[in-house]
Parts: sequence; structure tokens; C-alpha cells
Amino acid sequence: DAGITQSPRYKITETGRQVTLMCHQTWSHSYMFWYRQDLGHGLRLIYYSAAADITDKGEVPDGYVVSRSKTENFPLTLESATRSQTSVYFCASSDRNTIYFGEGSWLTVV
Amino acid sequence: AQSVSQHNHHVILSEAASLELGCNYSYGGTVNLFWYVQYPGQHLQLLLKYFSGDPLVKGIKGFEAEFIKSKFSFNLRKPSVQWSDTAEYFCAVNRGAGNNDMRFGAGTRLTVKP
Repeated sequence: DAGITQSPRYKITETGRQVTLMCHQTWSHSYMFWYRQDLGHGLRLIYYSAAADITDKGEVPDGYVVSRSKTENFPLTLESATRSQTSVYFCASSDRNTIYFGEGSWLTVV
Repeated sequence: AQSVSQHNHHVILSEAASLELGCNYSYGGTVNLFWYVQYPGQHLQLLLKYFSGDPLVKGIKGFEAEFIKSKFSFNLRKPSVQWSDTAEYFCAVNRGAGNNDMRFGAGTRLTVKP
């Protein structure tokens, strides 16, 4: 029943490189989100989008860029990866008030 | 600042013990409340949610939670845990009226010993 797919699931990249994490949902939910999960911090919202072409910053947006040209896609780009961006990234979508998560993308920046 | 606090970072229980995980939030006004579970290596799954009505909410797998507005709390309970309940549990809050700015607590890791 995974209506949200993320890719890649695992990625190792070097400091300074650009990385894009892809997210695709099949539910036609208006809202989509990117969270990062770090030990001791739980989940923190990076960016969210209320609809195509509408995006807003969350708690920790610095160093990230998002776009939403189509309702079903919400890619997250790290323009110049840093070690502090090593994390697990979860994409999610929402049917009004309940959020459903993808399976996560494990990113390591070396 | 808006926040969600989970009191316990790590809870260790034996099978059949009762569970209560605390969650407090600092938002005023109308809120929607959630508990999510994350099994090892997996994504977050919704356990239960509260929007309005009966403050005692029943979710999947025998879990329940009680919303106490005066205490800004939404504690998760299960009368008898199983080894398969070993996971991380996250409380989450967003403000009502369709606001999708969901904030999560730091999580509580539950280990159930067989």
C-alpha cells in the first residue's frame, strides 16, 4: 500500500556535491513534506508544499531546495552537501490532517 | 516556541507489562494529535489520531491514547506489551483547521524483552 516512493533509498556522496532525493506519490494528496530524522532530534520539517508550485520552509530549510512542478512529485535538492546533512530523509504526503510517510532515504555525506 | 515533548527517551519493559508513554505539547488553541510507530529499519506508520470528540482514542495493535486538554497531554498506553512492540514511538501535533505544519517529538524508544 506504499503510495509514496522515495529514491534513492541509500546514497553516499562527497562534501560539496549536489544531491537530489526524489519523492513520488500516487494518492493525489495536495500536501507533501520533507523531514529529516536524526538521533536525539526526532523528525524535523525541512520544507512542505501545499500544492503544485507552492512551497514553504519548515524548521530546518537551510542548505536545501525543493520544487513542486507536478502534484505527484516533490524532489529535495542539497545544493552543496555537508557532513551535517548526513541523515535519514523522509518524504510524506497528507490527506488534510494525517501524514503518510515514505520508506526513507539514507544519505551519508563523506 | 511551539514544541512537542516526549518524557522518556528509552523505555525497557518485559512482555506483558503495561506501557504508558508521555507526550506534552505547547500549542494553544485547536490541535490534532497523533502517535506514530517506527519499527527498526522501517518508515513511520500511524498508530492513532485525535481530532475531536471522545478524548480516549483507540488505535491499531491494542494501543490507545488519552487527550487531556487541561494538561496539554496525549499519552499513549497499552495494557500488555509484546516483543513485537519493540520500536520507536513518536508523538506529533498540528494545529487544527487543516494546518499541515506537523511537529514531532524526539521519540521514545521502546524495548520489550521476551
